[in-house]
Amino acid sequence: QVQLVQSGAEVKKPGSSLKVSCRASGGTFSSSAISWVRQAPGQGLEWMGVIIPIFSTSKYAQKLQGRLTLSTDESTNTAYLELSSLRSEDSAVYYCARDKGYYDSSGNLSPGGYYYGMDVWGQGTTVTVSS
Amino acid sequence: EVVLTQSPGTLSLSPGERATLTCRASQSVSSPYLTWYQQKPGQAPRLLIYGASSRATGIPDRFSGSGSGTDFTLTISRLEPEDFAVYFCQQYGDSPTTFGQGTKVEIK
Repeated sequence: QVQLVQSGAEVKKPGSSLKVSCRASGGTFSSSAISWVRQAPGQGLEWMGVIIPIFSTSKYAQKLQGRLTLSTDESTNTAYLELSSLRSEDSAVYYCARDKGYYDSSGNLSPGGYYYGMDVWGQGTTVTVSS
Repeated sequence: EVVLTQSPGTLSLSPGERATLTCRASQSVSSPYLTWYQQKPGQAPRLLIYGASSRATGIPDRFSGSGSGTDFTLTISRLEPEDFAVYFCQQYGDSPTTFGQGTKVEIK
């Protein structure tokens, strides 16, 4: 049974960059997509983006375009999230999740199919952005 | 983007009671693209329902999902102590995927 293990909590200064890792333990995610979702304190869930390793493709939330980069290292079964130009409103718990959607090479969910949801989640990484 | 509105915001019930949670979309969502998650304090979300009505692996049959178009429902037939949590719906029928704001089910 695959588990996703994330890197530890981070405290960052405004304007700096963040890198969070998500390692698959007990399996690989090369055949699945990995979505990243964040949750600000006391708030709901915000989808940030998805990476589809088999296509080497990523798709990002529009509001994060230009600041967010998703990547994977299949040799270590690890996915990475990099977020630049951090602001206080980026303070949140960041989650990676195995995404069971069927995506095309453009990073779009294939039409006419099915979405099986995000079925395995990392434990979360708390990020605090403060001067 | 599709806005999902969940109601009520908080549901106060006793163990053994039935819980009915609603997720309303700002535009029609195809049923195969509607999912539900449960989240307990300090924990990651847990997938409950996908395709509007299919239970994920290991989810007890007291959880059921239904609905179509713009109105979807998550029902917990008899609340167990471990079911008191926050529940989120998610749609992926239209990009980007979006989540509802959550319904908290608390002990009365």
